[in-house]
Amino acid sequence: DTEVTQTPKHLVMGMTNKKSLKCEQHMGHRAMYWYKQKAKKPPELMFVYSYEKLSINESVPSRFSPECPNSSLLNLHLHALQPEDSALYLCASAWGAENIQYFGAGTRLSVL
Amino acid sequence: GNSVTQMEGPVTLSEEAFLTINCTYTATGYPSLFWYVQYPGEGLQLLLKATKADDKGSNKGFEATYRKETTSFHLEKGSVQVSDSAVYFCALKDGNQFYFGTGTSLTVIP
Repeated sequence: DTEVTQTPKHLVMGMTNKKSLKCEQHMGHRAMYWYKQKAKKPPELMFVYSYEKLSINESVPSRFSPECPNSSLLNLHLHALQPEDSALYLCASAWGAENIQYFGAGTRLSVL
Repeated sequence: GNSVTQMEGPVTLSEEAFLTINCTYTATGYPSLFWYVQYPGEGLQLLLKATKADDKGSNKGFEATYRKETTSFHLEKGSVQVSDSAVYFCALKDGNQFYFGTGTSLTVIP
């Protein structure tokens, strides 16, 4: 099983809303990642969790708040987003000798 | 630092044509190299990888060889199909981080 599951697939929210994105994997991977991808651009790294601890924060605004409750689950809490935050948000996980990243299908977020 | 440079797209080919997508990299260490593919509306899927110099990664008819002397990892396929239409990303891994190229959009027409 090399599946990373992201929910929801689509999300529309207003600038005053609070919402959360969820990512789940059951491959025993100990590193999990959040990326933001704009149209026709490569994924941009946002956060990296290693052994459930935040190890990399790429200077992401505080309106994005990650959380890793356990080794299988990664959340991204959203609050007071801006229209320019509309994008595809991708989760990935990796571990082991090869450390290959496996990606979820993403959540397409629209901020109105 | 680490970076990946891919050829600009979009690339449009007829079915059964030969495909090359160029990728070169800059790295401070000894990275692993990857090609990922992204179909419309989906996440990235690993296409192939190579972990050391002279390794050849291959999958689904696609190939790429890790060339340290030219710091390259060009993607090739001998005969493309319409179903290969997607965006292709070259990437390198250094430690726990991945560095992606800008992506090359491929459209294959019947």
